[in-house]
Formats: sequence, structure tokens, C-alpha cells
Amino acid sequence: KAGVTQTPRYLIKTRGQQVTLSCSPISGHRSVSWYQQTPGQGLQFLFEYFSETQRNKGNFPGRFSGRQFSNSRSEMNVSTLELGDSALYLCASSSVFDGYTFGSGTRLTVV
Amino acid sequence: TQLLEQSPQFLSIQEGENLTVYCNSSSVFSSLQWYRQEPGEGPVLLVTVVTGGEVKKLKRLTFQFGDARKDSSLHITAAQPGDTGLYLCAGAGSSNTGKLIFGQGTTLQVKP
Repeated sequence: KAGVTQTPRYLIKTRGQQVTLSCSPISGHRSVSWYQQTPGQGLQFLFEYFSETQRNKGNFPGRFSGRQFSNSRSEMNVSTLELGDSALYLCASSSVFDGYTFGSGTRLTVV
Repeated sequence: TQLLEQSPQFLSIQEGENLTVYCNSSSVFSSLQWYRQEPGEGPVLLVTVVTGGEVKKLKRLTFQFGDARKDSSLHITAAQPGDTGLYLCAGAGSSNTGKLIFGQGTTLQVKP
């Protein structure tokens, strides 16, 4: 069974730009969650999608948004990038039976 | 706001030593998970504990969930260099919404 695939693995953007990250969950998993990991704050929950609906949202500004498609693939978007948005962005897909599986993440650097 | 306090943050030990990592909260979690993360990769699930007082063993790793489901511990017996990595605990709330609350992590270095 293929794992969770995140693309791209690495990204360098300039302040003020926007970025879109992609996550393909494990086949059959309908829930996709996104997390931001930084050395100072650790792993923080961004949002979770289930069957194309946002089911929960963390405490991040509105510049962070996401969506989920009918095939369960998810994207997250960050607009007007700031230096502090530099982080490892992780997505996890889950099911009641399999628990959580994380992807390898997208390393975003904002310069 | 649910928080998980994980300790210690850093641990450097010699091969063969034992260690314990703690994860504490004032909140009750429906389940608690332990992950291990290698540099540049995503966390990999080690175990999920659900029942208060539950103990699970994974080879040399022993995981315990507190009776009140507010705390957990990870004990490694006879640590090996291959155990080196970042260990994370994560709690799930009562509603099944995919939101995990993570501890700050414990960076473990096992020296040969």
C-alpha cells in the first residue's frame, strides 16, 4: 500500500509570494490533516479535512487555507508569505482502522 | 487549550543504558500516540494507547498510559544507536476530528 505523498519536498519562496502544497493520502483514507513543524513551536495543527469538508481548524491566520478534492487529495495554500512561515509542513492521512500516517513533508523556506 | 508537556527535551546516553520519556497534561485524551521522527522525514507511529492504565510493549520499548488518561511514558531498555531520533507524544481529543496535540518532543542520542 503506497504511503502518504507530499509534493514538492523542498520549496524556496520570497516574502509576499504565495505557495500551494499538495498531499495525496493513503488509498481509502478520507481524512487529511495538516501540521506545521518548527524548531521553536514543534508540531502545530493547521486544519483537517474529511470528505471535502474542513472539520477542524487550528489557530493560524487566514493566510493559511486548504481544500480537499473528491479523490481525498488535499492542498494547502499560504498567501502573502512571511519569513516566519519557513517550516516543515506535514500532512497525515488517517482512518479508524489504520490510525495516522504522515508524509515526509514539504520543507518551505521563505527568503 | 489542551497542552502536552514532554520531558526531557534532550537526552544523550551511552549504548546499553535505560531511559524514560514522560508526557504530561492536565487534560484527558481519548488516546495517546507515540511517534519517532528522523531528520527530514515525517513522524512514524510507534504505538497508540487508548485505555487508562494500558501498557504496550514493542521489543525494547514499553509504553504506558496513565490511569486518568492524562499522561504517558515511554521506556527504552538497553538503548542502541539505532534508537537515536526525535520522539513525540501526541494526544487525540474525544471528538474524532483528526486533530492531534503534540508534545515538544525528546531528542535522543545514543552513543556507541
